[in-house]
Amino acid sequence: SQQGEEDPQALSIQEGENATMNCSYKTSINNLQWYRQNSGRGLVHLILIRSNEREKHSGRLRVTLDTSKKSSSLLITASRAADTASYFCATGIAGGTSYGKLTFGQGTILTVHP
Amino acid sequence: NAGVTQTPKFQVLKTGQSMTLQCAQDMNHEYMSWYRQDPGMGLRLIHYSVGAGITDQGEVPNGYNVSRSTTEDFPLRLLSAAPSQTSVYFCASSYSILAAYNEQFFGPGTRLTVL
Repeated sequence: SQQGEEDPQALSIQEGENATMNCSYKTSINNLQWYRQNSGRGLVHLILIRSNEREKHSGRLRVTLDTSKKSSSLLITASRAADTASYFCATGIAGGTSYGKLTFGQGTILTVHP
Repeated sequence: NAGVTQTPKFQVLKTGQSMTLQCAQDMNHEYMSWYRQDPGMGLRLIHYSVGAGITDQGEVPNGYNVSRSTTEDFPLRLLSAAPSQTSVYFCASSYSILAAYNEQFFGPGTRLTVL
């Protein structure tokens, strides 16, 4: 199974509401990253949180990381229709090859209704 | 900066045909990679490169070849296309060869259908 697994698979909310997506992983990580993918487009990096950090903010985004539970959450506050996209977590793992390994989850599809 | 560019955007092949997906970046990034995205599978790493002349296999390399003669370009070759290679292909780059520790910049993707 995937190293990173997002939950829920799909989320539908109204504009102005908050959206929370979760990511769980299996092995120790160096960092965890969140990406957004608009329909038919490439992925865009949102935020990176390192294993020694617990919380990070960027604009309307808030990411938390709990290494003891091997989980992370992405909170989008005051959502907008333009936030409609798929959101992926990616875990950066040290070791293996000398360059490490970045593994993507299957994504959460977020729909924000105007 | 154009960032990461990919051509073509769409391609239809017949089984057994070969083709090359092009990827270029103008950010002077050392690390470049190819992923494929399939429904329910997330992104899977095909091949990656940490500099001109240096490439290595990722998670799903079979049926694909790569080479890196310049820092800017990283083409992906399908040797003999199979229906199982129907997918969306993304090229990505990173300023550090320690790509697992840094932000990845993605191209817009190539949607490939093999009949």
